[in-house]
Amino acid sequence: AQRVTQPEKLLSVFKGAPVELKCNYSYSGSPELFWYVQYSRQRLQLLLRHISRESIKGFTADLNKGETSFHLKKPFAQEEDSAMYYCAGGWGNTPLVFGKGTRLSVIA
Amino acid sequence: NAGVTQTPKFQVLKTGQSMTLQCAQDMNHEYMSWYRQDPGMGLRLIHYSVGAGITDQGEVPNGYNVSRSTTEDFPLRLLSAAPSQTSVYFCASSYSMNRVANYGYTFGSGTRLTVV
Repeated sequence: AQRVTQPEKLLSVFKGAPVELKCNYSYSGSPELFWYVQYSRQRLQLLLRHISRESIKGFTADLNKGETSFHLKKPFAQEEDSAMYYCAGGWGNTPLVFGKGTRLSVIA
Repeated sequence: NAGVTQTPKFQVLKTGQSMTLQCAQDMNHEYMSWYRQDPGMGLRLIHYSVGAGITDQGEVPNGYNVSRSTTEDFPLRLLSAAPSQTSVYFCASSYSMNRVANYGYTFGSGTRLTVV
């Protein structure tokens, strides 16, 4: 079965420290991968798409097919980055599968 | 262009009551879906639709009904509310379930439901 795993429920870092939110996926094939962000009590917003290889708000994510990972990284965390982050994968013939989410807390 | 609109934003129900959560999108999206969000459980898919007249069950469909009579609307009906259905419900849409690479999903702002 298709599965997206985010091993950390909570990640706390100090302001200015590097951030890495982990995401692993199972199932063979070439998934379409996304990172979504949800600020306190707001809707989920699309942050990154693996297909575009873009950097948004200083975040980047690289698809590693060998490790089946799509980790989200930022070199210097900011307080405004505190939010819930969801990794999601799509395999084309089914709805997107979401991980359980990681809450990022940036400490001043 | 309002995107995905959900109503109501908040609702309190008594056990056994029924209600309909509304979701509407104005982007001509074919694909629409409902998720519930619970602490520690992430987002779980309830029902989805790939076009008007077509619906299918997701991971947690029990206790919920949907229909898709128009492209724009995808209401979620709770038949007989239970405390276990206390959750935040999100509606999401996309141009296509099978071709999301360029767009992902667009989410509504959510409905916070409490069943007492």
